[in-house]
Amino acid sequence: DADVTQTPRNRITKTGKRIMLECSQTKGHDRMYWYRQDPGLGLRLIYYSFDVKDINKGEISDGYSVSRQAQAKFSLSLESAIPNQTALYFCATSDSSAYGYTFGSGTRLTVV
Amino acid sequence: RKEVEQDPGPFNVPEGATVAFNCTYSNSASQSFFWYRQDCRKEPKLLMSVYSSGNEDGRFTAQLNRASQYISLLIRDSKLSDSATYLCVVSWSGTASKLTFGTGTRLQVTL
Repeated sequence: DADVTQTPRNRITKTGKRIMLECSQTKGHDRMYWYRQDPGLGLRLIYYSFDVKDINKGEISDGYSVSRQAQAKFSLSLESAIPNQTALYFCATSDSSAYGYTFGSGTRLTVV
Repeated sequence: RKEVEQDPGPFNVPEGATVAFNCTYSNSASQSFFWYRQDCRKEPKLLMSVYSSGNEDGRFTAQLNRASQYISLLIRDSKLSDSATYLCVVSWSGTASKLTFGTGTRLQVTL
């Protein structure tokens, strides 16, 4: 099994729908992150969490919310999806040493 | 100005060639530096950290120039399997464990 698992892998949803992307990890890392990737813009940080009780906004948090249900689980929600949220979404984890991230395989989200 | 800037490429090189990528960063308080590799539609994977003294891992050599605020990656004897996008990644003091990614440089190695 993968160290960082994202579900679903692909999703097409309609404008205005609520959608949740889920991430779970077996690394035992405290720190978890959600990024989105768009062509030409690279990876941009949406939200991050350094432990279960610590949630922080990233550079593009508008339109998104998160929930850290447990050390191993970090979910990203789009309350009312819009087409410009079409992107590739990655979850990542790290330990406190900041020695780089382990990424999940990504969720390709299309909002129509 | 972007916090981490890279030439998007693509760099098209023949097998066996040596190719170098540069990356510049804007924050002089930057602390940790990495190169990640990303294959098309896949997740980024850590290629190597970059240390002040420079470091090598097989065919890959990374250099850091703090005075000029740039990082480089040199790939010798390119293989077809090196074709990918290479992401320059930086974190700085006060944001420990929060990485900022460049947009990547695409490399295509051909026969």
